[in-house]
Amino acid sequence: DQQVKQNSPSLSVQEGRISILNCDYTNSMFDYFLWYKKYPAEGPTFLISISSIKDKNEDGRFTVFLNKSAKHLSLHIVPSQPGDSAVYFCAAQGGSEKLVFGKGMKLTVNP
Amino acid sequence: GAGVSQSPRYKVAKRGQDVALRCDPISGHVSLFWYQQALGQGPEFLTYFQNEAQLDKSGLPSDRFFAERPEGSVSTLKIQRTQQEDSAVYLCASSYRGGNQPQHFGDGTRLSIL
Repeated sequence: DQQVKQNSPSLSVQEGRISILNCDYTNSMFDYFLWYKKYPAEGPTFLISISSIKDKNEDGRFTVFLNKSAKHLSLHIVPSQPGDSAVYFCAAQGGSEKLVFGKGMKLTVNP
Repeated sequence: GAGVSQSPRYKVAKRGQDVALRCDPISGHVSLFWYQQALGQGPEFLTYFQNEAQLDKSGLPSDRFFAERPEGSVSTLKIQRTQQEDSAVYLCASSYRGGNQPQHFGDGTRLSIL
């Protein structure tokens, strides 16, 4: 049973517009959430994280929103750039040290 | 080096052979993790070390999988009597300490079992 779900396998946006990536989770023990970006043949690169005591965290063009009651988080990228094209993974942690990942979502930013 | 280093990058082995995968974490990082990533899936947890102590090995799929970190730095993941279903990318990650700290990943070892 998938505890972290990324229900959309792909997203395509125009350069300069906003990209919104969504993630849902089922385990109430999760208290720390992360987004990773992955290029082909490379390992996941940490982007941004949020603790469950917050509902928003911002770092440059990247903002993560957390809605605990809905068990939902989202990553906003504004403005999107062609170099943002990659697979994005949502991950969660809580109750143990391990990260639980979603299946990933492929973002394509068109010039 | 600045990041997590894994070797080899690619490994091809015949079914039944033993393999060893190495991870060199970021200097000073106490926590080290191994994950397995199948094609089209997210990484799945295998095992976790804090210094030299293996605190969680709940994700190891069978007793053919063994990991160690004897001096609290470099770690080795060993797979004995490999099977075709072991084919995957094996990722290592480290973090400064446990708790709410981001894990930083290496580029992985792509293991192919023929």
